[in-house]
Amino acid sequence: GDSVTQMEGPVTLSEEAFLTINCTYTATGYPSLFWYVQYPGEGLQLLLKATKADDKGSNKGFEATYRKETTSFHLEKGSVQVSDSAVYFCALSDRSGSARQLTFGSGTQLTVLP
Amino acid sequence: SQTIHQWPATLVQPVGSPLSLECTVEGTSNPNLYWYRQAAGRGLQLLFYSVGIGQISSEVPQNLSASRPQDRQFILSSKKLLLSDSGFYLCAWSFRPNTEAFFGQGTRLTVV
Repeated sequence: GDSVTQMEGPVTLSEEAFLTINCTYTATGYPSLFWYVQYPGEGLQLLLKATKADDKGSNKGFEATYRKETTSFHLEKGSVQVSDSAVYFCALSDRSGSARQLTFGSGTQLTVLP
Repeated sequence: SQTIHQWPATLVQPVGSPLSLECTVEGTSNPNLYWYRQAAGRGLQLLFYSVGIGQISSEVPQNLSASRPQDRQFILSSKKLLLSDSGFYLCAWSFRPNTEAFFGQGTRLTVV
């Protein structure tokens, strides 16, 4: 079945540091890929997405590139801020499968210190 | 534009009491609707999903049930809460199955 593997957290960075959160996937078809962000006490918000190989999703300074050859969708940001502290989820939708819902990774807690 | 409303935001209930959490979506018709639970830690567990009125699929056997009495209304219920039902409950919707989902703000349920 489909699965998403994220790097284990928690991740702690200083403000203005470079961020990478690794995400790899397995899927039977040609998935769309997503990153969601969850701020403390809130629901998940869609951060960015990519629907085909080599697509780059970007939003709020975050970027992720759909790499079919390495089955990866790593999240990056060049300079993190304290306000980026949150839990980040990688997810996929396998359009050729029969699944009715997204497949989520386990989440990565990011803490940014001033 | 579409919006999703979920309430209440927090709830403290005694063991054995009933539960009703409500979720509504505005600005779209015939959405796919989902209930997730997020226990301590971060992982998301899909509890129920619905592709139409009266159509409910359960992913995990449990003490909870779901109903969809109207096109854009999704209700999570329990007749008798257990301590293990405590958690953060999230409602979500999507345009079609297996596409990006949009989440409500969540309900923090504490069973005491």
